[in-house]
Amino acid sequence: DVKVTQSSRYLVKRTGEKVFLECVQDMDHENMFWYRQDPGLGLRLIYFSYDVKMKEKGDIPEGYSVSREKKERFSLILESASTNQTSMYLCASSSPGGAGGDEQFFGPGTRLTVL
Amino acid sequence: GENVEQHPSTLSVQEGDSAVIKCTYSDSASNYFPWYKQELGKGPQLIIDIRSNVGEKKDQRIAVTLNKTAKHFSLHITETQPEDSAVYFCAASGYSSASKIIFGSGTRLSIRP
Repeated sequence: DVKVTQSSRYLVKRTGEKVFLECVQDMDHENMFWYRQDPGLGLRLIYFSYDVKMKEKGDIPEGYSVSREKKERFSLILESASTNQTSMYLCASSSPGGAGGDEQFFGPGTRLTVL
Repeated sequence: GENVEQHPSTLSVQEGDSAVIKCTYSDSASNYFPWYKQELGKGPQLIIDIRSNVGEKKDQRIAVTLNKTAKHFSLHITETQPEDSAVYFCAASGYSSASKIIFGSGTRLSIRP
């Protein structure tokens, strides 16, 4: 059974703290993604990666960075957490199928609250 | 870049009735249109998808239609059941996006018993 796991389901941090969100997939997928989900805004792409040590900015990268040192692991980093980063964070992975458009497999999400 | 709009944001239907969710997209180069279902406490999961060379696709009680000229696509659920209650997201991507998907804002579907 394919699986994407995220290190925490719930996380509470203080303003200014450095926060690490970890994601691991066991499907040997090349592509990995980080989204944030907010009511009425859907899923917005923060960063994505097509290969180890490779990263590209998504639509809302400000305030975030990522790391992909191994194929199966993709980390999202909040350098200095702020209250407007309180959100649900979703990790996903996919394998490129060629002609545009691949199924993405999602983890269960991490609900982050920044106080 | 691509923009996907989804309506309605909430939908309540009687069990056994049909539900329809509609989306529009802006980039005429988009050619892949997946639909994801997110149940409470879980990540989204693909339920059906359609590519631009097809106008309609059906899988048991769910169907998706695509009108490339109008840049519209829709999800149809017939004979709704309580387990259909969830948040549904439409999305679009294209050849040039290299697997990047743009999601709509979501529809919360509730099935009334």
